[in-house]
Amino acid sequence: NAGVMQNPRHLVRRRGQEARLRCSPMKGHSHVYWYRQLPEEGLKFMVYLQKENIIDESGMPKERFSAEFPKEGPSILRIQQVVRGDSAAYFCASSPPGLAEAFFGQGTRLTVV
Amino acid sequence: AQSVTQPDIHITVSEGASLELRCNYSYGATPYLFWYVQSPGQGLQLLLKYFSGDTLVQGIKGFEAEFKRSQSSFNLRKPSVHWSDAAEYFCAVGAGNRDDKIIFGKGTRLHILP
Repeated sequence: NAGVMQNPRHLVRRRGQEARLRCSPMKGHSHVYWYRQLPEEGLKFMVYLQKENIIDESGMPKERFSAEFPKEGPSILRIQQVVRGDSAAYFCASSPPGLAEAFFGQGTRLTVV
Repeated sequence: AQSVTQPDIHITVSEGASLELRCNYSYGATPYLFWYVQSPGQGLQLLLKYFSGDTLVQGIKGFEAEFKRSQSSFNLRKPSVHWSDAAEYFCAVGAGNRDDKIIFGKGTRLHILP
């Protein structure tokens, strides 16, 4: 059973471009979390999704950021018109039905130049 | 709202010494509690978790944690650390309610002296 797969592992974007981060959950997992990590700040919750449903997006910036978890395919975290402050490591985690435990991917390190 | 406090940003211990990493949480109902470890450039690995039952839980790599409801704490311990334990450790709180997210503390970076 493959773990949570995130791609790309590293992503470089120029200011103003769009960044798309993908997360394939573990087989059988129905829920996905996205977190952002900056040095000395721990993991900041962004969004919590179930297939075709956003459960909690209270940590998502109001503008430029969106997330989806379609019925088929990976979860996508989309950042439009990136700025330097978006540079961070973005982690995805998945969990199975009925269990709150989260299994993490290796992260995508976004650098905005 | 849930919150997690890890009061120590950095901790340094000598190899072979005992370790305790502190974690305090705030949650309105019975919490689910977790400790994760992160090596540089890697994702997070679950060390142990508490959902219910025995308040002393055993995890991987020789770690254990004790849930103390009266103190809202879930401290991580290891009797004798190894150089390979140098990493960042995160405490997290969630809930059995599937609509509740998992919230992480800011982490404690553990340094090991030879």
